[in-house]
Amino acid sequence: GQQVMQIPQYQHVQEGEDFTTYCNSSTTLSNIQWYKQRPGGHPVFLIQLVKSGEVKKQKRLTFQFGEAKKNSSLHITATQTTDVGTYFCAGRGWEKLTFGTGTRLTIIP
Amino acid sequence: DTGVSQDPRHKITKRGQNVTFRCDPISEHNRLYWYRQTLGQGPEFLTYFQNEAQLEKSRLLSDRFSAERPKGSFSTLEIQRTEQGDSAMYLCASSLGDRGQSHEQFFGPGTRLTVL
Repeated sequence: GQQVMQIPQYQHVQEGEDFTTYCNSSTTLSNIQWYKQRPGGHPVFLIQLVKSGEVKKQKRLTFQFGEAKKNSSLHITATQTTDVGTYFCAGRGWEKLTFGTGTRLTIIP
Repeated sequence: DTGVSQDPRHKITKRGQNVTFRCDPISEHNRLYWYRQTLGQGPEFLTYFQNEAQLEKSRLLSDRFSAERPKGSFSTLEIQRTEQGDSAMYLCASSLGDRGQSHEQFFGPGTRLTVL
């Protein structure tokens, strides 16, 4: 079955530093979505990427979809304490989403 | 509040008992999903509905699990003869979408199940 892995599992950064999480799928994806889950909360949709090589930006967040549509990344510039949480990618192969293992981001003030 | 709601928020039960959870999706959403999430893991797909039709069920799901969405609105997830390994957060999500399309999923707050 489809597997989606993320690295790193944990990331601790000083406030103001950049952060990147990487997502890799065992199979080609039709699209990929990114979600953020705050501690004690539920996943909240951030963005969807569909096209090969697509890059999208949301303020300090930059999302990329690989050329082969098997990998993706999320980069946060100049992290803030509000960025704390776990970031999940979710790959869509056919109808269902397969969530990655997540990267938990903690910020050191 | 017009978001996804789930009831109950917490459920503690003894091993062997049956439990049922309810999910009320966003009213105009035709798709409804059930996931299970354990500590430190991402949501694991269980099943999903397009209107009242259950279109896919995870192969990891045992026969003790059953889900319904009788009128294409709310959904229930029942776990029979609960086991300690069933302890997890059960998340419901809803979205718009037709076959071949993918839209953002809106998650509910989840039902935390503890099996003693």
